[in-house]
Amino acid sequence: EAQVTQNPRYLITVTGKKLTVTCSQNMNHEYMSWYRQDPGLGLRQIYYSMNVEVTDKGDVPEGYKVSRKEKRNFPLILESPSPNQTSLYFCASSIWGGIDYNEQFFGPGTRLTVL
Amino acid sequence: AQKVTQAQTEISVVEKEDVTLDCVYETRDTTYYLFWYKQPPSGELVFLIRRNSFDEQNEISGRYSWNFQKSTSSFNFTITASQVVDSAVYFCALKRGSNYKLTFGKGTLLTVNP
Repeated sequence: EAQVTQNPRYLITVTGKKLTVTCSQNMNHEYMSWYRQDPGLGLRQIYYSMNVEVTDKGDVPEGYKVSRKEKRNFPLILESPSPNQTSLYFCASSIWGGIDYNEQFFGPGTRLTVL
Repeated sequence: AQKVTQAQTEISVVEKEDVTLDCVYETRDTTYYLFWYKQPPSGELVFLIRRNSFDEQNEISGRYSWNFQKSTSSFNFTITASQVVDSAVYFCALKRGSNYKLTFGKGTLLTVNP
């Protein structure tokens, strides 16, 4: 089954404790992206990657890191989480067709609480 | 800069009513892409439609229809004969042709009451 998976689905942690949220897709998609969803703000893009070893900042990258060492994986790293990073996080992937952009497929979401 | 405005924060209708969700976008690009996504109470994001800037043809899919008007920078979504299962948050999104970012509106919470 074609899908985007995220782990963990739920996480409660404390301020300053490094964490990684994994994202994996099995569709051989070039493009992957991370979003956070907050009430009243919709979804905001954190980072995106056009292919292996190619990443760039979205609209709200502060406090986050990403890496793209393999095409299927795009982990989101919070080196020193803070309470304002409490949010619902979504990973997404899509085919990158160049001029023809396709829809993104989203993972199920990771609900993160930073105490 | 690109921007998507969904002015309706919440809409409540009674089952079988028609409802239109508004989406207004801003971009300086001549090539861009517009999307609608649905987020039901279970939380996942479901793709509904993509429209390219050079294709202004309206689209109908069952009870769903989309009205794309470049002259007013709008991409509105209409649900005909709404059902309780249509209750969800609906997001409109914009991608410029010149970069790789996807910008979402803040979403409209639609509640369909029986």
